Amino acid sequence: KQEVTQIPAALSVPEGENLVLNCSFTDSAIYNLQWFRQDPGKGLTSLLLIQSSQREQTSGRLNASLDKSSGRSTLYIAASQPGDSATYLCAVKGGDTGTASKLTFGTGTRLQVTL
Amino acid sequence: GAVVSQHPSWVICKSGTSVKIECRSLDFQATTMFWYRQFPKQSLMLMATSNEGSKATYEQGVEKDKFLINHASLTLSTLTVTSAHPEDSSFYICSARDRRWENTEAFFGQGTRLTVV
Repeated sequence: KQEVTQIPAALSVPEGENLVLNCSFTDSAIYNLQWFRQDPGKGLTSLLLIQSSQREQTSGRLNASLDKSSGRSTLYIAASQPGDSATYLCAVKGGDTGTASKLTFGTGTRLQVTL
Repeated sequence: GAVVSQHPSWVICKSGTSVKIECRSLDFQATTMFWYRQFPKQSLMLMATSNEGSKATYEQGVEKDKFLINHASLTLSTLTVTSAHPEDSSFYICSARDRRWENTEAFFGQGTRLTVV
């Protein structure tokens, strides 16, 4: 059974700092990995999707890497802003094919960027 | 990007009543939709996989008769919480993928906050 863990559980940084969020998964047979942002009481916003054959993806100040063999992914946020404050979730899609394969979510990292 | 609309965004109901939550894919067709439950400060737990035109697949420990799922079309899935109790109070979120692309990202609805009193 796939298990996804995120470290740290919570993080508080001053504005402008670069930061790294970590995600690890136990079964390396994944199809892809996705990073999401969730604001309090809201749904999920997809940030980045990395296919199993890829090593990283970038979008603006965000960069996500994937090391499938070691079961790890990192989300790098450059020059953090107060608006980045949210919970960040990583999720892996099972190795079986098709749109019906499930996402397994990590425990999340609650990020607070202070002024 | 693709849009998944979930309705209502919040609902309060009395114990013993039933509540229906809708999940619609607005600009794509989804053979499969997923229903998740999220308790405060916890991650999303998959409840069931909703399959268009057939029965839903439930995760272990999820009561089929309590959480009724109907996926009557390629753009709509519904979750009905039957005989709701206070312990059913939670945040429910649906997601869907475009049926044409099996390896694309999953899109999520905005969630439904259910409070049973």
